Amino acid sequence: GDSVTQMEGPVTLSEEAFLTINCTYTATGYPSLFWYVQYPGEGLQLLLKATKADDKGSNKGFEATYRKETTSFHLEKGSVQVSDSAVYFCALGYSGAGSYQLTFGKGTKLSVIP
Amino acid sequence: NAGVTQTPKFQVLKTGQSMTLQCAQDMNHEYMSWYRQDPGMGLRLIHYSVGAGITDQGEVPNGYNVSRSTTEDFPLRLLSAAPSQTSVYFCASRGQNSGNTIYFGEGSWLTVV
Repeated sequence: GDSVTQMEGPVTLSEEAFLTINCTYTATGYPSLFWYVQYPGEGLQLLLKATKADDKGSNKGFEATYRKETTSFHLEKGSVQVSDSAVYFCALGYSGAGSYQLTFGKGTKLSVIP
Repeated sequence: NAGVTQTPKFQVLKTGQSMTLQCAQDMNHEYMSWYRQDPGMGLRLIHYSVGAGITDQGEVPNGYNVSRSTTEDFPLRLLSAAPSQTSVYFCASRGQNSGNTIYFGEGSWLTVV
């Protein structure tokens, strides 16, 4: 079956440091890939997505490229801020028979210190 | 612009009690779903619905019941709460007009003692 594997956290970085959160997947078809972010005490928000190989999703300074050859979708940001402290989830999804189900990784908690 | 609204946000139940988590969306989305989030487990799909009158099981359906009498509402019922159901629950929706983007509610924190 499909699965998503994320690097385990927690990850602690100083402000303005470079961020990479690794995400790899196994899939039986051609899914879309997503990064969701969950700020403390809040629900999940879509951060970025990519729907096909070589697509790059980007938002709020974060970016991730859909790499079919390495089955990866690593999240990067050049300079993190304290406000980026959150839990980040990588996910894949298919549409089929009218439904759309997401398979999530376990999440990576990021803490950014001043 | 309400989006996906869940109630209650926090709830404490005693073992054996029943309750319903409410979920409503105002985007006319066909697809709705419930996930639970547990530490170190990510989010797991409980039940989903592709339209009014149609529901199906996800990865972890046991102990939960759902119905979809209207497009807007998708309540999740715990029939006899157990401590293993202590979790954070998220409702989500998606529509043809949202592409493959799923929108989540803010979550319901449930503790079963």
